[in-house]
Amino acid sequence: DGGITQSPKYLFRKEGQNVTLSCEQNLNHDAMYWYRQDPGQGLRLIYYSQIVNDFQKGDIAEGYSVSREKKESFPLTVTSAQKNPTAFYLCASSIHTGGGEQYFGPGTRLTVT
Amino acid sequence: GNSVTQMEGPVTLSEEAFLTINCTYTATGYPSLFWYVQYPGEGLQLLLKATKADDKGSNKGFEATYRKETTSFHLEKGSVQVSDSAVYFCAVYSSASKIIFGSGTRLSIRP
Repeated sequence: DGGITQSPKYLFRKEGQNVTLSCEQNLNHDAMYWYRQDPGQGLRLIYYSQIVNDFQKGDIAEGYSVSREKKESFPLTVTSAQKNPTAFYLCASSIHTGGGEQYFGPGTRLTVT
Repeated sequence: GNSVTQMEGPVTLSEEAFLTINCTYTATGYPSLFWYVQYPGEGLQLLLKATKADDKGSNKGFEATYRKETTSFHLEKGSVQVSDSAVYFCAVYSSASKIIFGSGTRLSIRP
C-alpha cells in the first residue's frame, strides 16, 4: 500500500530538548511538506522540499530544521529555539507538477513540558 | 498571492439535513481548488478537487463547483450523516507546488 507514514503518533519531550519527527513516503512523490496545526486552527507551512537535497522555508520556519537526503524521507527537527513547540505536526507529499493535490500522513502530536 | 476564505464554524445540523459550507478564493489565473476533510486526531484527506472553471468535483455524496464568476467553491451535500462530522478545509493551489488552506469549518451532525 502506498502512503505516508509519520512516527511516532504521540511524542513527549522536556523543554530545552531537540526532537526529530519522522516522515516517510513510498508514493514516489518529488515534493514534501511539513505543517503545524494548533487546536481549532488551520494549517501553517513550516518547510517544504521540491527535490532531494533542496528545501525552502515556509511561513513559520523559525525554531525548526529539516533535511532531504532521500526522496522518501523528510524529517523535521523541532529545536529548543522554538518558543511554543506543543502542536500537531502534519507531513504531506505531492507529485511535483503544477496544481497537484497533497497527500497527508496521520500526524504526530508533540507535547513539550 | 492566492488566498481562500471559508465560513466559520462550528456548523451543527441534524442527520439528513442539507449541507453548504461556503468558500471563496482570490487567485491569479485559474488554479486548482480542493476540499479536504480531517477526522479527530487524524491527518487531512482529499475529499474532492476541481482543476478548471466550471468543473464539478464530487466524492461520497459531496459536491463543489468551480465558479470563476463568483470566485467560489462551495461544498454541498444533500443529506448528511453522523459519520460526516469532521473539520472541512477549502484550499487553493498557490505556487511552487504549495497549497493555501482555509481556516477550517467544524461540522457536527446530530442523530
